[in-house]
Amino acid sequence: AQKVTQAQTEISVVEKEDVTLDCVYETRDTTYYLFWYKQPPSGELVFLIRRNSFDEQNEISGRYSWNFQKSTSSFNFTITASQVVDSAVYFCALSEAGYGGSQGNLIFGKGTKLSVKP
Amino acid sequence: GAVVSQHPSRVICKSGTSVKIECRSLDFQATTMFWYRQFPKQSLMLMATSNEGSKATYEQGVEKDKFLINHASLTLSTLTVTSAHPEDSSFYICSARDPSGTATGELFFGEGSRLTVL
Repeated sequence: AQKVTQAQTEISVVEKEDVTLDCVYETRDTTYYLFWYKQPPSGELVFLIRRNSFDEQNEISGRYSWNFQKSTSSFNFTITASQVVDSAVYFCALSEAGYGGSQGNLIFGKGTKLSVKP
Repeated sequence: GAVVSQHPSRVICKSGTSVKIECRSLDFQATTMFWYRQFPKQSLMLMATSNEGSKATYEQGVEKDKFLINHASLTLSTLTVTSAHPEDSSFYICSARDPSGTATGELFFGEGSRLTVL
């Protein structure tokens, strides 16, 4: 069965601190995709990144970076020099590859609420 | 990028009435759309998979007669909450898969619809 675990329910940091959001996943599939989404207070989901299971290269996008480690089934997300605007709930999600039916739908973790204080 | 739009963004209704939420893919045709429900401070849970031209596939525990899903065209899926009750109050989010990215499983999310049943 697929499962995504975000052990950190809430994190509070002061602006300019670095923060890492943890994500651990379970799947029996050899091909799968991992995602991170941001949900600000307004509610919409903002896509941040997609990573396929064959690409373990870490990625950096501005202040955001992701560390994908298949050996530990983790896909952690780090925000460097956090800002108040980063305050949101962040969801990690897992998807099987494939076509049709329910394949491709996302299994979400419970989310981590990040509060960045000035 | 692909855009998915939901309407209405907020709706308040009396107990016993039915409410319809629309999900539209604005710049691509979506043969499959997904409906999620999010309780306050909780993760998104898949309710059903909406397939154009056929019956929706519901997740275990989701009442088909309560949550009617219609996917009449390649750009529109509707979720009707029938005889709504206060416990149906929630945030409902739809998503659609852009066929050009089908193999990756990437989904695009609507803005969400917050339903409050009095």
